[in-house]
Amino acid sequence: LAKTTQPISMDSYEGQEVNITCSHNNIATNDYITWYQQFPSQGPRFIIQGYKTKVTNEVASLFIPADRKSSTLSLPRVSLSDTAVYYCLVGEGYSSASKIIFGSGTRLSIRP
Amino acid sequence: GAGVSQSPRYKVTKRGQDVALRCDPISGHVSLYWYRQALGQGPEFLTYFNYEAQQDKSGLPNDRFSAERPEGSISTLTIQRTEQRDSAMYRCASSPEFNEKLFFGSGTQLSVL
Repeated sequence: LAKTTQPISMDSYEGQEVNITCSHNNIATNDYITWYQQFPSQGPRFIIQGYKTKVTNEVASLFIPADRKSSTLSLPRVSLSDTAVYYCLVGEGYSSASKIIFGSGTRLSIRP
Repeated sequence: GAGVSQSPRYKVTKRGQDVALRCDPISGHVSLYWYRQALGQGPEFLTYFNYEAQQDKSGLPNDRFSAERPEGSISTLTIQRTEQRDSAMYRCASSPEFNEKLFFGSGTQLSVL
């Protein structure tokens, strides 16, 4: 399983774009990159998943460079409600069954 | 149901007692995961199932912990002879296919006195 490294915490302000970068130097060819969001007192919630280049949905964008050794979760125009812990996970794709491991995540705090 | 259901929501027990935590996944979901989460920490993997088969139990802390999913749907995590260090939030998640995105339940907060 590829290990991931992400900042322990980040601060930003309402209306700003927030980028959280995750390093995964040992990512394997079959690995996908997945991000989850967790609010206090709730379970993690899937945000976005990608394999390469850029993926965008209604919540966020995920940028993955060609070497795939890192990825960046981009949250446009954050609000106070985006305050949460964000987890970057790397693991094998849909055709494989393997355990899904969470790290410590990035604690994002948004200020007014 | 509409989501993953866990019961009980809270469980307070005395040291030495056995507890059983239940997880009812989203109907039709193939994979089911159990995690334990301490305050301020990320979810710690315990075990997971594909259908009724337990695929990996390497995260279970010791032999007091066991899990089953006999019919490939509801799962039970059992902790025997509970200890204070077992106190934590226990979370269950299911996914529609292998390594698809996980849907988490609200968790069971276990307190061992």
